Amino acid sequence: AQTVTQSQPEMSVQEAETVTLSCTYDTSESDYYLFWYKQPPSRQMILVIRQEAYKQQNATENRFSVNFQKAAKSFSLKISDSQLGDAAMYFCAYRQGGSEKLVFGKGTKLTVNP
Amino acid sequence: GAGVSQTPSNKVTEKGKYVELRCDPISGHTALYWYRQSLGQGPEFLIYFQGTGAADDSGLPNDRFFAVRPEGSVSTLKIQRTERGDSAVYLCASSHGQGGYGYTFGSGTRLTVV
Repeated sequence: AQTVTQSQPEMSVQEAETVTLSCTYDTSESDYYLFWYKQPPSRQMILVIRQEAYKQQNATENRFSVNFQKAAKSFSLKISDSQLGDAAMYFCAYRQGGSEKLVFGKGTKLTVNP
Repeated sequence: GAGVSQTPSNKVTEKGKYVELRCDPISGHTALYWYRQSLGQGPEFLIYFQGTGAADDSGLPNDRFFAVRPEGSVSTLKIQRTERGDSAVYLCASSHGQGGYGYTFGSGTRLTVV
């Protein structure tokens, strides 16, 4: 079974600085997709960024970018110019091609200090 | 609707009672998903509907859990003989169809079994 590991239960960053959240996953599949979701106190999971495994180019969405290392099975999220509104739980997730299930990690709580 | 609506937002029930949790997906979304998020964990997949049928119910933990989507829109997650271990946030998500590109999640129902 596929697993997703987030080794940092908590992280903190100063406002306007850059922070990187780590995620590793275990799979024997070649066709899969990776996601980062943000969960604020409202509980709604919000998609931050997604990456298709077949794409070599790292995905970028404004201040958010990923470092996708397929051979190492690593998928880290970099948040640049951190803002107070970025404070939330962040979850890394995996979806195998042809499946509709998302497999989530345990999450990283991000605190942004003013 | 504009987003995925889940009701109630919070539910407290006594051990052994029956509960129903409702999910109203985004209009036109054919795929609907239920996840369970226990305290300090990432969401765990329960069941996936494509239209009216349950395409994958492999995540339902036991036969006390059941979900329906009779008209291909609103879905109800039903839990019989609730146990304290069922306490969690139950998240619903919907999407346009197969592919899972960026589900839209609701804000969940926090179920507390006392």
